[in-house]
Amino acid sequence: AQSVTQLGSHVSVSEGALVLLRCNYSSSVPPYLFWYVQYPNQGLQLLLKYTTGATLVKGINGFEAEFKKSETSFHLTKPSAHMSDAAEYFCAVSEGGADGLTFGKGTHLIIQP
Amino acid sequence: DVKVTQSSRYLVKRTGEKVFLECVQDMDHENMFWYRQDPGLGLRLIYFSYDVKMKEKGDIPEGYSVSREKKERFSLILESASTNQTSMYLCASHSPAGINTGELFFGEGSRLTVL
Repeated sequence: AQSVTQLGSHVSVSEGALVLLRCNYSSSVPPYLFWYVQYPNQGLQLLLKYTTGATLVKGINGFEAEFKKSETSFHLTKPSAHMSDAAEYFCAVSEGGADGLTFGKGTHLIIQP
Repeated sequence: DVKVTQSSRYLVKRTGEKVFLECVQDMDHENMFWYRQDPGLGLRLIYFSYDVKMKEKGDIPEGYSVSREKKERFSLILESASTNQTSMYLCASHSPAGINTGELFFGEGSRLTVL
């Protein structure tokens, strides 16, 4: 069975600083990996996804993530944080089955002015 | 664009009441899902459905049931609401056709408070 671990339930960075949100996964088959973002009182919005091919994937709002098979990681980064990036971020994994995604517990990103 | 619509954004119910949460998607997706979201616990799968009248239990089905009479509509039912069911409920859908990556499309969520 697949699983996802997000390191750090809360991450605080200064505006303009590098954002790094960590995600490690376990999967018995080559996984599909996702990052979703959730703004207060809203549903989840897809930020980016890795399916096959290039291991560095770019998403919306300047975010990117790199799939590292040897480290079973899919960390999310953004070079320069903006106040509008403050939100909850979820990493998720799929093995392509009908039962949807397995999510991590989420990381709350706080942006300090 | 895929649109997943949840009928109620905010609900307040009393213990013991029957609660219906409705979800409709407009992209002819076969699979639909109900998740529950709680702080520190992430999203947990309650039930999913891969076809009309078909349903499968997720990780936390106790105290919930579902109904899928039409392809586009998936309802979550709390037969007798309890205070520990106070939570954010998220509906999602996806199509397994083609390359099935598992990507989900979410509604805005329904925040339920049980008093």
